[in-house]
Amino acid sequence: NAGVTQTPKFQVLKTGQSMTLQCAQDMNHEYMSWYRQDPGMGLRLIHYSVGAGITDQGEVPNGYNVSRSTTEDFPLRLLSAAPSQTSVYFCASSYSPSGTGNEQFFGPGTRLTVL
Amino acid sequence: GESVGLHLPTLSVQEGDNSIINCAYSNSASDYFIWYKQESGKGPQFIIDIRSNMDKRQGQRVTVLLNKTVKHLSLQIAATQPGDSAVYFCAALPGGGSNYKLTFGKGTLLTVNP
Repeated sequence: NAGVTQTPKFQVLKTGQSMTLQCAQDMNHEYMSWYRQDPGMGLRLIHYSVGAGITDQGEVPNGYNVSRSTTEDFPLRLLSAAPSQTSVYFCASSYSPSGTGNEQFFGPGTRLTVL
Repeated sequence: GESVGLHLPTLSVQEGDNSIINCAYSNSASDYFIWYKQESGKGPQFIIDIRSNMDKRQGQRVTVLLNKTVKHLSLQIAATQPGDSAVYFCAALPGGGSNYKLTFGKGTLLTVNP
């Protein structure tokens, strides 16, 4: 199993550009989520999905869109990039969002810089 | 909502000593807690979790203690090794069935000195 994969690893955008961060998992997990991590901060939840066709907002959803058309893929779209969206983005997946022994797997991250 | 904070942003220990990393949470309805380890340049890695109906859970060299009375949990690492050097995050999930919004603390940087 490849686990959780994210592409690209690095990206530089200009203000106003749009792009999609890709996330895929091959573990048949129902729950997937996107986080951003800023220096000295913990991870903040952007959006999450509890299954194909179902998404919901997290703590910091503004400026981002998601969709979940398949169990495997959960792309994150930046509609019009802003410097405040410069961050490291992590995708994660698990069988369910909670439950002892239910491990949440994280991808390696995408480092995004918006100029 | 929930806020999660760690008591110390940095912790330095000698190799072989035991490490204790503390975390406080604000929402008494939180019923699931997780500790993650994040090495430089990598994504967080699950260490151990605990539900609110438990006070203690042990894994390999790690123990999580939960004190619901004071809304505090700790991660204990036995015989700390250089490979344990990383940032450690606690995270909490509020109860209530359909609330899946995991809240992370800011992290504690653990440095293990040889």
